[in-house]
Amino acid sequence: DAGVTQSPTHLIKTRGQQVTLRCSPKSGHDTVSWYQQALGQGPQFIFQYYEEEERQRGNFPDRFSGHQFPNYSSELNVNALLLGDSALYLCASSLGLAGANEQFFGPGTRLTVL
Amino acid sequence: AQTVTQSQPEMSVQEAETVTLSCTYDTSESDYYLFWYKQPPSRQMILVIRQEAYKQQNATENRFSVNFQKAAKSFSLKISDSQLGDAAMYFCAYRSPWGDMRFGAGTRLTVKP
Repeated sequence: DAGVTQSPTHLIKTRGQQVTLRCSPKSGHDTVSWYQQALGQGPQFIFQYYEEEERQRGNFPDRFSGHQFPNYSSELNVNALLLGDSALYLCASSLGLAGANEQFFGPGTRLTVL
Repeated sequence: AQTVTQSQPEMSVQEAETVTLSCTYDTSESDYYLFWYKQPPSRQMILVIRQEAYKQQNATENRFSVNFQKAAKSFSLKISDSQLGDAAMYFCAYRSPWGDMRFGAGTRLTVKP
């Protein structure tokens, strides 16, 4: 049973570019959440997708957008990259939106913006 | 807004000894969930233990246990018989019934042989 997978593992971009990160949830899970983890800090919630719709959003600008596909996989898109977007981006999946449901995390994508 | 505070950036423990990691949170809600996650150098966040706010009994998972003080809004993690494999970043997290997960800044735990 595959857990949460993310691609790519590492990514290097320059300021102003656009990036797309991908996430496949754990088998049976239908909800995907994205987090940004800056170096030395805890993860910060970006947004959550369920039934192909954004259900909740954290305090992130519109440059951050996402999508969920019918197979429950998800993408995170960041436009007009800034140096401050350099971080580890974590994807987590769960079954449903309820807070009681455990979130399983992927290994993350390390994004470096030069 | 809910906030989570971990006041110990780093902690150290001798192998086989016991260590306690602290966490406090701020909320006006009565129903919520609390979690401790472990993040080793491999970066993968792993759930260590969880606590439902409506349960008075402290959660326990093998060598890991919590001290949940709802009135004080405190949620500490105790690791007994520490092992070298316990070395990692530990994050305390809060989640409301239908809300997002809020994490603390983390505590780096070092285990000395």
